[in-house]
Amino acid sequence: KNEVEQSPQNLTAQEGEFITINCSYSVGISALHWLQQHPGGGIVSLFMLSSGKKKHGRLIATINIQEKHSSLHITASHPRDSAVYICAVRWDTDKLIFGTGTRLQVFP
Amino acid sequence: ETGVTQSPTHLIKTRGQQVTLRCSSQSGHNTVSWYQQALGQGPQFIFQYYREEENGRGNFPPRFSGLQFPNYSSELNVNALELDDSALYLCASSLRVRGNEQYFGPGTRLTVT
Repeated sequence: KNEVEQSPQNLTAQEGEFITINCSYSVGISALHWLQQHPGGGIVSLFMLSSGKKKHGRLIATINIQEKHSSLHITASHPRDSAVYICAVRWDTDKLIFGTGTRLQVFP
Repeated sequence: ETGVTQSPTHLIKTRGQQVTLRCSSQSGHNTVSWYQQALGQGPQFIFQYYREEENGRGNFPPRFSGLQFPNYSSELNVNALELDDSALYLCASSLRVRGNEQYFGPGTRLTVT
């Protein structure tokens, strides 16, 4: 069993739809990251959170430490949101364990 | 703009060769982590360097080695390349303080033929 699991693996949506990507983990963590990876490889950090909820523009991330679960929400999705979204958990100072990612495609 | 740079962008090597990948960390960061991302997979932790010392290693063989320099830039060296080493290699820098984020470079795509 992977220590970090994401669902769904692939997601397609129409522009404007509300998107939810889920992440479950099985290890004790100090923080959880949501990352965005576009074709070509570069990774951008969207959120780092250890409790509660964070919001940045149309993106919202929540975490439930007791349930070891986090969600990333995208409101009013847009084709430029098309990317791979990766959940990663931080353990042992700065080391990260990554999920396999959720590939999102938003069509106009 | 993360400030983390990697070179080269792309690289093609043949099996058995050796390769060196480079990473310049963001200004002020003293920790560099290296990750391998195979096609369609999430990144896997290779190792981390903090103040020029290895500070943890993932499940990678000894032919994967690294260095961190006094300016905190870093190199990843892979000897005796195998076909399965073909991947995107990512470095991430951070300031080793609890709660600090890692900033990722654009990656080096290595193809082993």
